[in-house]
Amino acid sequence: DAGITQSPRYKITETGRQVTLMCHQTWSHSYMFWYRQDLGHGLRLIYYSAAADITDKGEVPDGYVVSRSKTENFPLTLESATRSQTSVYFCASSEVAGRTDTQYFGPGTRLTVL
Amino acid sequence: ILNVEQSPQSLHVQEGDSTNFTCSFPSSNFYALHWYRWETAKSPEALFVMTLNGDEKKKGRISATLNTKEGYSYLYIKGSQPEDSATYLCALMTTDSWGKLQFGAGTQVVVTP
Repeated sequence: DAGITQSPRYKITETGRQVTLMCHQTWSHSYMFWYRQDLGHGLRLIYYSAAADITDKGEVPDGYVVSRSKTENFPLTLESATRSQTSVYFCASSEVAGRTDTQYFGPGTRLTVL
Repeated sequence: ILNVEQSPQSLHVQEGDSTNFTCSFPSSNFYALHWYRWETAKSPEALFVMTLNGDEKKKGRISATLNTKEGYSYLYIKGSQPEDSATYLCALMTTDSWGKLQFGAGTQVVVTP
């Protein structure tokens, strides 16, 4: 089924472990985004990508690494997970990133760091 | 980091009643304001994109207005129904953050029968 998918949907890990969250979209959208959702903060941008091999930091990038070798994939890696990274992570994509271009969100990954 | 504020944080509405809530943002460098609807256990979905001062958008019983000079947008729900229960997010795009959205924390609306 076409759209934007995330995996895993739920993940429990331990402090210090490396974790990779996957995001895949089938629309060939140029732009992809990673957000985290925390109570009282809404959605905060972690990283975004304008095209394959082009990525840039968002509001809260520390502790995260991204890559985009293919247009359709945008994995997010927590190099050494901390408890403060417990959150719900949303991936989104948009065709371009003009003023009227809406973002389409994936279903989210709930990550718990013990 | 832009200060996009939404109020109230939550509200409870009786079925059939109308309601409205606010998104406030810095008026400088305004480029666009996006509204998203986010139902529990689902993903945020786009409702409106507003770009011009005085813009009014409508989708069914939901409408929105925009005042870029004073930096606010109102979202209205007329004759609320239980299916309108959701968190409504606004997100600001400025001319110097092209392509990136700064989201507010949302207003959670609960409509009770």
